[in-house]
Amino acid sequence: AQTVTQSQPEMSVQEAETVTLSCTYDTSESDYYLFWYKQPPSRQMILVIRQEAYKQQNATENRFSVNFQKAAKSFSLKISDSQLGDAAMYFCAYRSGHTGKLIFGQGTTLQVKP
Amino acid sequence: NAGVTQTPKFQVLKTGQSMTLQCAQDMNHEYMSWYRQDPGMGLRLIHYSVGAGITDQGEVPNGYNVSRSTTEDFPLRLLSAAPSQTSVYFCASSYSEGSSGNTIYFGEGSWLTVV
Repeated sequence: AQTVTQSQPEMSVQEAETVTLSCTYDTSESDYYLFWYKQPPSRQMILVIRQEAYKQQNATENRFSVNFQKAAKSFSLKISDSQLGDAAMYFCAYRSGHTGKLIFGQGTTLQVKP
Repeated sequence: NAGVTQTPKFQVLKTGQSMTLQCAQDMNHEYMSWYRQDPGMGLRLIHYSVGAGITDQGEVPNGYNVSRSTTEDFPLRLLSAAPSQTSVYFCASSYSEGSSGNTIYFGEGSWLTVV
């Protein structure tokens, strides 16, 4: 069975600084996708970034980028130039390319200090 | 979260009662799933479906039943509610064909309290 682990329950960053959220996963599959989702207090699930396992290049979306280390099964999220609106809970997620099943890590609460 | 509709949004149940959380999508998505999110926790997969007539268990299936008789609907049934099932429930859907990297759409959540 696949698992996703986020070892940082809480993180904080100063506004305009950079922060990295960690995620590791375990799988025996070769076809899968990795995601980072943001969940503000409204509980809405917002897709931040997506990474295909077959791509070696790390995904980037504006201020958000990932460091995908396939051999180490690591998938960290870097947020540059942090903004107050980035404060939320962040979830790492794994989706099986075989079954389509999507599972989440435990989440990291990010606080952004002005 | 246009396209994935969950009802009810709030519900209070007594222990032992049964109820059904409804989930409907109008995007012709093959993949649908149910999650629960406990306070301060991540989303845990309860059941999922890759098409009408096909369902499978997720990480925490005990106490929940599902069926998928149509592409549009994926109801989640609590047969005998327990206080441990107090949680926020999310339904999600996406296309399956072509790529599991397809965008996943989430409902707005259903807040369930079992007393």
